[in-house]
Parts: sequence; C-alpha cells; structure tokens
Amino acid sequence: GENVEQHPSTLSVQEGDSAVIKCTYSDSASNYFPWYKQELGKGPQLIIDIRSNVGEKKDQRIAVTLNKTAKHFSLHITETQPEDSAVYFCAAYPNNNDMRFGAGTRLTVKP
Amino acid sequence: ETGVTQSPTHLIKTRGQQVTLRCSSQSGHNTVSWYQQALGQGPQFIFQYYREEENGRGNFPPRFSGLQFPNYSSELNVNALELDDSALYLCASSFQAAIRSPLHFGNGTRLTVT
Repeated sequence: GENVEQHPSTLSVQEGDSAVIKCTYSDSASNYFPWYKQELGKGPQLIIDIRSNVGEKKDQRIAVTLNKTAKHFSLHITETQPEDSAVYFCAAYPNNNDMRFGAGTRLTVKP
Repeated sequence: ETGVTQSPTHLIKTRGQQVTLRCSSQSGHNTVSWYQQALGQGPQFIFQYYREEENGRGNFPPRFSGLQFPNYSSELNVNALELDDSALYLCASSFQAAIRSPLHFGNGTRLTVT
C-alpha cells in the first residue's frame, strides 16, 4: 500500500521567512496530493491540493510542487505569519479510497 | 454552506464497552470517510461510505463498523473497546466523483478509553 513520509517533524521560522515541508510517496498510482493544516482542538483543514497532471500550484502565499518521477511533493509558505503556526499534513491518494497521511510537521512562526 | 459536524465532541468509555460516534456531512456531499488520529500522528483511514454501503476499508478489525443513512449522515460503531482505541476520530465528507475530490473534515470526537 501507499506509504507517505514527511519532513521535518518540527519547523521553527521567524515571521516573514519562508517555510518548506517535504513529502515522499511510494505508490506511483497516487494521483491526488492534498495538504492540510490542523490547529489545536480542530480537524484538518484543506489548504491546497495538486493533481498528478500538474507540476506546481499556487494560492497567494502558499504553493505546492510535485515531482512525479521522484515521487515527492513539497509545500512552500512565503511571508509566514504567527497565524500560520499549526501542524501541517501532506497526503497521497492512490486508486483505492485509502488516503494516506504523513506524520505531520509542527510549524512555529516566531513573531 | 453547512460544514461537517460531529457528536459528541468528547467521550470517556471503559474497556470492553461499545461506542457510537455520529457525523453529519457537508451539504452537497454524498460520501463519508472515517479516520482515527492517535496523539502526534497523522489520520489513519478506517473506512468510507458511499450510497449507504462500505466503499473501502483500512487496516482496522471488524469491531469497527459503520452506517450511512439516506441523508448521507453516518455513524461509526466500535465494539469491545480497547485502551489503544483512545484517539481523535475524524469524519470527512466529499462528493464522490470519477476523480479524487477533497475531503472536508469535522473537528472530531475525542474518545478516551480507561
């Protein structure tokens, strides 16, 4: 089955800096890669996603890149703000309905 | 647009008991997936329901079962609770389509088994 690895597990940046979180996946059949942000006491919230026919997608300060050949994808957050502090999860969706999540990255943005 | 709602928010049960968790899907969505999230880990897929039938299952034993109702709401039932079942249980709804559609999560039910 699909296996998703996520790095780093914790990330601390200064406000205004950029943050990058990287994930790798194992199943070449995976064709959909969402990113979720989870704040304390809440469920994961979808922040951006990318499909396998696209190499990059951007939404304001957030961008995601996908390298299908290398089976890795990354989340880039620019001009970070304290409210970006949360746990971020990547996920990969193969042909079955079992969407696999990474272990999460705890991002702290210091003011 | 009404989001995904789950009840109860917190629950404490004793080992061996049974529990039922409930989920109302987001308006316009017809598919419900359930996930278990242990502390400090990513969510793990339990199963998905579409058209009131199980439509995929993760690596969870049969004592985890579910239902989907005609209004697309869903229940997760867990029998013979074990200490390791303590976790955040997340429900996510989506619109089933030929291509993968985004999952929209509720805020979960925190289950503690003592």
